[in-house]
Amino acid sequence: GENVEQHPSTLSVQEGDSAVIKCTYSDSASNYFPWYKQELGKRPQLIIDIRSNVGEKKDQRIAVTLNKTAKHFSLHITETQPEDSAVYFCAAEGGNAGKSTFGDGTTLTVKP
Amino acid sequence: DAGVIQSPRHEVTEMGQEVTLRCKPISGHNSLFWYRQTMMRGLELLIYFNNNVPIDDSGMPEDRFSAKMPNASFSTLKIQPSEPRDSAVYFCASSPQDRGAQPQHFGDGTRLSIL
Repeated sequence: GENVEQHPSTLSVQEGDSAVIKCTYSDSASNYFPWYKQELGKRPQLIIDIRSNVGEKKDQRIAVTLNKTAKHFSLHITETQPEDSAVYFCAAEGGNAGKSTFGDGTTLTVKP
Repeated sequence: DAGVIQSPRHEVTEMGQEVTLRCKPISGHNSLFWYRQTMMRGLELLIYFNNNVPIDDSGMPEDRFSAKMPNASFSTLKIQPSEPRDSAVYFCASSPQDRGAQPQHFGDGTRLSIL
């Protein structure tokens, strides 16, 4: 089955700096890669996603890149703000009726 | 759109008791997922349904856990008998998979404490 590895497990940055979280996947059939943000005590929520026919996608301060050959994808957050502090999960999905395999999460702390 | 609705939000019970968690997916979504989240094990997929049929229950910890989806608008996750190690936050999520891969929409979760 699919295996997703996520790094780093914790990340601390100064407000205004950039943050990068990286994930690798094992199943070459995976074609959909969502990223979820989970604030403390809340539910995971989608923040951005990318499909295998696209190499990069941006939404304001957030961007995701995908390298299908190397089987890795990354989340980039620019001009970080304290409200970006949360746990971020990457996921990979193939054709199993919507089953996503999640990474173990990255706890991002943005220091004011 | 009310989102995925889970009940109860919190449950505290003594070990050995039966626990039933409930989930109402978003109308029109045909895939439903049950997850368990703990600090030690992260976010674990327990079981998922597609068109009310269980597709993969390999994440269900043991026979004490069971899940049903009697119709497109309701699912339950039961633990009987419950044990302290079952204490966790249980999330239900749904997605519309009839248009290819789509993001999952999570409910607010049930925080379960087994004493």
